[in-house]
Amino acid sequence: AQSVTQLGSHVSVSEGALVLLRCNYSSSVPPYLFWYVQYPNQGLQLLLKYTTGATLVKGINGFEAEFKKSETSFHLTKPSAHMSDAAEYFCAVSDIGTNAGKSTFGDGTTLTVKP
Amino acid sequence: DTGVSQDPRHKITKRGQNVTFRCDPISEHNRLYWYRQTLGQGPEFLTYFQNEAQLEKSRLLSDRFSAERPKGSFSTLEIQRTEQGDSAMYLCASSAFLAGGEQYFGPGTRLTVT
Repeated sequence: AQSVTQLGSHVSVSEGALVLLRCNYSSSVPPYLFWYVQYPNQGLQLLLKYTTGATLVKGINGFEAEFKKSETSFHLTKPSAHMSDAAEYFCAVSDIGTNAGKSTFGDGTTLTVKP
Repeated sequence: DTGVSQDPRHKITKRGQNVTFRCDPISEHNRLYWYRQTLGQGPEFLTYFQNEAQLEKSRLLSDRFSAERPKGSFSTLEIQRTEQGDSAMYLCASSAFLAGGEQYFGPGTRLTVT
């Protein structure tokens, strides 16, 4: 069984500050890992993904995440927060390879950006 | 590519009534997923299809829930004899097989059971 733990249900940063959202996963097989963003009353939008290869992945809107197998982590970062980054962020894991089907999501982290 | 669409966006129903939601995936995607999301939680997997075949169904899904994808295109999710606990956002997503696993989500259908 797979699981995802997002540490901190709420994170607040000042505009221009570093954003760090934490995600740890559990998987019995090499995982695919994802970060999604959700704005109010909208569906989820993919920010970035890790499948294989380079462990530092870059996504949209200046976000990046690093896959650390030894720590079973996939933390999301952005060097400088913008007001428009305020949203809810979800980390997800799914099975690798041909059985890549359902995703298991964390409970989300709400990011607040203060002016 | 117009993205994943869901209809209706909002549904208010009385306890005991049946409701049906529709999802139209991205046209070239052969996988389609249904999730349920409640306030303060991440999406919870309900079921998924590859083409018209329903490949997996969550054990948490009661017999009151049924989903179909008859021609491998759009899908419907029906909830019979709704309960207040069914109030949630129902999300549909689609993906292309072997394309890397990322799913493209629709805007969701918010169900309120009174």
